[in-house]
Amino acid sequence: DAKTTQPPSMDCAEGRAANLPCNHSTISGNEYVYWYRQIHSQGPQYIIHGLKNNETNEMASLIITEDRKSSTLILPHATLRDTAVYYCIVGYSGTYKYIFGTGTRLKVLA
Amino acid sequence: GAGVSQSPRYKVAKRGQDVALRCDPISGHVSLFWYQQALGQGPEFLTYFQNEAQLDKSGLPSDRFFAERPEGSVSTLKIQRTQQEDSAVYLCASSLVAGGKAVKLETQYFGPGTRLLVL
Repeated sequence: DAKTTQPPSMDCAEGRAANLPCNHSTISGNEYVYWYRQIHSQGPQYIIHGLKNNETNEMASLIITEDRKSSTLILPHATLRDTAVYYCIVGYSGTYKYIFGTGTRLKVLA
Repeated sequence: GAGVSQSPRYKVAKRGQDVALRCDPISGHVSLFWYQQALGQGPEFLTYFQNEAQLDKSGLPSDRFFAERPEGSVSTLKIQRTQQEDSAVYLCASSLVAGGKAVKLETQYFGPGTRLLVL
């Protein structure tokens, strides 16, 4: 079973920020939060990851709550090309057996 | 540069047929992973190679599934006597990082997948 809970779908207007929530209430102290996305007919693509602190890169920002039981992925200015399924995953830095779950299907609307 | 490539992209098989799916990882990548993705679901881990050694095959659903990476580069996932429930997208990913060190998810690069349909 997935260790994360995500809403099945979300819509976002083009140019607006897309905020994708994820609950991971059973996360362990040294487990990271990872975000991947999968555009139709492609393999998953890494977006960002974090442990405790908020993180930002050229693709997105990751906000992790202080108790680490939930996080939010923020796409600051969503474009049509951001339409994809977004997966929130928790796992240890040294493991490869991640559980993807069913993710959130984000649709960016023109 | 070249990413992970998989072939064929689409495969239709009759129930009972054997199929072989190929993965060409990024050159120099030590780790290689296979995943199975059913329609509407997230990818599920099948097996992991570090160079030519298959270190984890716990996700393979049955003994009809077999994977190999004999020279530590190209890998083949073979499914014998295919069943309808084997219909899925099979994803391959590779990573530069060697096993024993932190195999971080962010360094896994996925191929486009092979869509297998068993009739």
